[in-house]
Amino acid sequence: AQKITQTQPGMFVQEKEAVTLDCTYDTSDPSYGLFWYKQPSSGEMIFLIYQGSYDQQNATEGRYSLNFQKARKSANLVISASQLGDSAMYFCAMRERSNYKLTFGKGTLLTVNP
Amino acid sequence: SAVISQKPSRDICQRGTSLTIQCQVDSQVTMMFWYRQQPGQSLTLIATANQGSEATYESGFVIDKFPISRPNLTFSTLTVSNMSPEDSSIYLCSGDRGTNNEQFFGPGTRLTVL
Repeated sequence: AQKITQTQPGMFVQEKEAVTLDCTYDTSDPSYGLFWYKQPSSGEMIFLIYQGSYDQQNATEGRYSLNFQKARKSANLVISASQLGDSAMYFCAMRERSNYKLTFGKGTLLTVNP
Repeated sequence: SAVISQKPSRDICQRGTSLTIQCQVDSQVTMMFWYRQQPGQSLTLIATANQGSEATYESGFVIDKFPISRPNLTFSTLTVSNMSPEDSSIYLCSGDRGTNNEQFFGPGTRLTVL
């Protein structure tokens, strides 16, 4: 069964607007962490933001914020004020405490239009 | 966060040959991982590199095809053996300090097998 589901293969957004990238997850482990990575065409994986399952507040890092809805098992990434350089693949990933490995979703290709 | 470097950054190889990829971390990490990303796909974990002992391989990956070494806490190698065109992928090294919110990646090695 898929542990991480990203239902949007591709998304388009106008420069300076906000965009939400969806991620849902499945786990029975009460302790886990959720990660978002950006992968530009160069191929490197750039860490963006982390949310722990016990964190009381949604994580934020600059223009990135994570809309964490634990009961719904969703961890959507919100990018505010999109920039052309935000065009890339975005991967959601989860690591369970019982299993110290990252499991990745299939990714969402974000294109920012001028 | 730590910095990870990989060598080579890219290579074009002939079928039947082998390539060794090196991964160097600038500070000690608890765990090191090797991932494969086939064209247009998400990341798949190949194995966890264990210091001074045999790597722990994921289902579908075997030591004869992907031998891994980790002689110390900051260095690991992955060999792709007896290559075929199906091995054409980006290979990424990843490091983890053992805290909840840090797993970072090297820049990747883009391998093309002819």
